[in-house]
Amino acid sequence: ILNVEQSPQSLHVQEGDSTNFTCSFPSSNFYALHWYRWETAKSPEALFVMTLNGDEKKKGRISATLNTKEGYSYLYIKGSQPEDSATYLCALARGGSARQLTFGSGTQLTVLP
Amino acid sequence: DSGVTQTPKHLITATGQRVTLRCSPRSGDLSVYWYQQSLDQGLQFLIQYYNGEERAKGNILERFSAQQFPDLHSELNLSSLELGDSALYFCASTPPRGSYNEQFFGPGTRLTVL
Repeated sequence: ILNVEQSPQSLHVQEGDSTNFTCSFPSSNFYALHWYRWETAKSPEALFVMTLNGDEKKKGRISATLNTKEGYSYLYIKGSQPEDSATYLCALARGGSARQLTFGSGTQLTVLP
Repeated sequence: DSGVTQTPKHLITATGQRVTLRCSPRSGDLSVYWYQQSLDQGLQFLIQYYNGEERAKGNILERFSAQQFPDLHSELNLSSLELGDSALYFCASTPPRGSYNEQFFGPGTRLTVL
């Protein structure tokens, strides 16, 4: 069984705060790590694909880092806004022909105005 | 809009019934994945098809089955429905190469079993 763990499970922050959450995964046979943003009543949307150890990706106020040797990725949100409220999912892709993703259970972020 | 379509958007039915959910992948994508999201649960992988053939199975019940047709659309059949089958069912598709397995999700079908 492949375990992709995300912490914390949920998080409430004030508007303007910066925050971060963690995705942990087994580092063997690593291929890629995906971050998705999932708003209520919508479908998950891709944020980042990370493939190389030491990768850093940024999109506006959201950034992510990757450590494939120790098996973790961090997602950072700088100056959180209410519209950032969503569940943030990470998903691991491993080498192989099935091309599946194994999803973590997500971090539910609520940004309070 | 991801380019993945799912119908219907909502479905309300009774216990013991059978329903079919439909998914059309993005143009050019050969793989289709089905997921179930129940209350307080994450995305649970059910099954994957690639170019018409089953590729991988996850936590799919024996009462559930799926297929992918020559035009690459996929159907998920849920039978002998139980109250616990009420959930949001997503399908996703993946390009045949590149993209590091990135999946593009459809809008989902919300199934309510009464």
